[in-house]
Amino acid sequence: SQQGEEDPQALSIQEGENATMNCSYKTSINNLQWYRQNSGRGLVHLILIRSNEREKHSGRLRVTLDTSKKSSSLLITASRAADTASYFCATDITQGAQKLVFGQGTRLTINP
Amino acid sequence: GAGVSQSPSNKVTEKGKDVELRCDPISGHTALYWYRQSLGQGLEFLIYFQGNSAPDKSGLPSDRFSAERTGGSVSTLTIQRTQQEDSAVYLCASSPFRSYNEQFFGPGTRLTVL
Repeated sequence: SQQGEEDPQALSIQEGENATMNCSYKTSINNLQWYRQNSGRGLVHLILIRSNEREKHSGRLRVTLDTSKKSSSLLITASRAADTASYFCATDITQGAQKLVFGQGTRLTINP
Repeated sequence: GAGVSQSPSNKVTEKGKDVELRCDPISGHTALYWYRQSLGQGLEFLIYFQGNSAPDKSGLPSDRFSAERTGGSVSTLTIQRTQQEDSAVYLCASSPFRSYNEQFFGPGTRLTVL
């Protein structure tokens, strides 16, 4: 597996339900970020959680980080049709090149 | 304020031709990144510019790919002798300083090589 892998690869739920997506990584990180992408074009930054943080909230988004398990989860509560998109986690590793490593993404579909 | 812009938004070219893709980062952002995204896939890092430092070219897939950043602002990604496997969306992002800040993405250029 590679740095920053999301699961599931695809998730389909009914509007109003909660959506949970997970991300696992391999190496030590400075922080972990979640991005959203609509229709295969530009990504939009959603939330950043630092390695010394365990949980962070932003509106209907809740992100958790477990550095012992090298994993993170993104929870979207009370989902809406407009939340349909692909969601990517990205990690900034503490050693080596200074760049973000993106996972393959979770394709989320919210059914009306 | 203006975000990251990229041009063209779509480019269709014939195999063997050269293409140039342009990225205008957010003013004042010192870091600029190029990524490639094939259909239904994640982002593949290509190259990273940070200020006046030598760029990190570790992600460029072959010597047909090159990029420049003039005056610390606009960047051009050049693909020579394009191949069909180069077809993808090419995304540019900029960041205020260190890479662990959030990155601001442009809308991408969809390249199709026939």
